[in-house]
Amino acid sequence: DGGITQSPKYLFRKEGQNVTLSCEQNLNHDAMYWYRQDPGQGLRLIYYSQIVNDFQKGDIAEGYSVSREKKESFPLTVTSAQKNPTAFYLCASSIDSGINTEAFFGQGTRLTVV
Amino acid sequence: DQQVKQNSPSLSVQEGRISILNCDYTNSMFDYFLWYKKYPAEGPTFLISISSIKDKNEDGRFTVFLNKSAKHLSLHIVPSQPGDSAVYFCAAKENPSIQGAQKLVFGQGTRLTINP
Repeated sequence: DGGITQSPKYLFRKEGQNVTLSCEQNLNHDAMYWYRQDPGQGLRLIYYSQIVNDFQKGDIAEGYSVSREKKESFPLTVTSAQKNPTAFYLCASSIDSGINTEAFFGQGTRLTVV
Repeated sequence: DQQVKQNSPSLSVQEGRISILNCDYTNSMFDYFLWYKKYPAEGPTFLISISSIKDKNEDGRFTVFLNKSAKHLSLHIVPSQPGDSAVYFCAAKENPSIQGAQKLVFGQGTRLTINP
């Protein structure tokens, strides 16, 4: 079945460690996105990529990094520079960010930094 | 600066009645709007969308209305069912012809509870 897969579902890390969240899609979508959700807040855009080897910062990119070496994959690294990394992270993809179409989301990764 | 706002954090509706969720936006360049439904610890699922050239779009029990002059859209669910209990997010996107403007901007969400 086609879809977008995030792994792991739950992740625990010690403060000061970098951690990488995986996002893979087999929908042949060009565009991919990373969002963060905090309690009582909406989804805030961290980074997005419209095409392989290209990505742009979203509204809250500080302390995060991404890569887009393959169309199917868009991993997010939460670095030690991110001040409040504990959150629910959502990856999404869409056919083409240049046309009006919906984005499909993965099931999310809950990151807890202790 | 919150470009998409859902001012009601929560809404409680009787089963069988109509649920109306509201969303306001400030960016006049937005021209495509979407509603997503989200259960706890899961990713959002797409519900319905509307382009700025329309003022209404209907899909089964779900209807979205767009008032461009007021920069306001609403989602109507009728009749409401217990399975509709979830958090609903409004999202907006600028015209894709604008370079670098393809990101989806989300509101804060409204938690809808359908009471039996």
